[in-house]
Amino acid sequence: DGGITQSPKYLFRKEGQNVTLSCEQNLNHDAMYWYRQDPGQGLRLIYYSQIVNDFQKGDIAEGYSVSREKKESFPLTVTSAQKNPTAFYLCASSPAASSSGELFFGEGSRLTVL
Amino acid sequence: AQSVTQLDSQVPVFEEAPVELRCNYSSSVSVYLFWYVQYPNQGLQLLLKYLSGSTLVKGINGFEAEFNKSQTSFHLRKPSVHISDTAEYFCAVSSGNTPLVFGKGTRLSVIA
Repeated sequence: DGGITQSPKYLFRKEGQNVTLSCEQNLNHDAMYWYRQDPGQGLRLIYYSQIVNDFQKGDIAEGYSVSREKKESFPLTVTSAQKNPTAFYLCASSPAASSSGELFFGEGSRLTVL
Repeated sequence: AQSVTQLDSQVPVFEEAPVELRCNYSSSVSVYLFWYVQYPNQGLQLLLKYLSGSTLVKGINGFEAEFNKSQTSFHLRKPSVHISDTAEYFCAVSSGNTPLVFGKGTRLSVIA
């Protein structure tokens, strides 16, 4: 089945450690996105990529990094510089940058920093 | 810049009663509008979308929404809710060449 796979679903890390969240899609979509969700805050855009080997910062990029070496993959690294990394992270994709903007979401990864 | 305001953070409603979840947006250009639903610890699922044409949009699970350009609103409605509709609902806006901007969400709780 076509879709977006995020892993791991749950992750625990100690403060000061970097952690990488995986996002893979087999929908042949050009654009991919990372959002962060906190209770009562809705979804906030971290990074997005409209094409391979290119990405743009979203509204809350500080303390995060991404890469887009393959069309199917858009991993997110939460670095030790991120002051409050505990959150639910959602990866999404869309068919093309110039489409309506409709997003298709993965199941999310919940990161807890102890 | 675009923004979305969901006027109610929580909406409790009895089973089989009607419900309306309110959404207002601001944008200086033409927009596309979306409603997504999220069940606990899951990703978001598209309920419905307005791209163009008829202002009344029907979606999955019996939901519908009406685009009102003069009021800059896109309220979500269902005539009779079920326990299974308990979830968080997000309104979102896009101009097509920018990432979706989401509201803060409305938590719908259906009471038996």
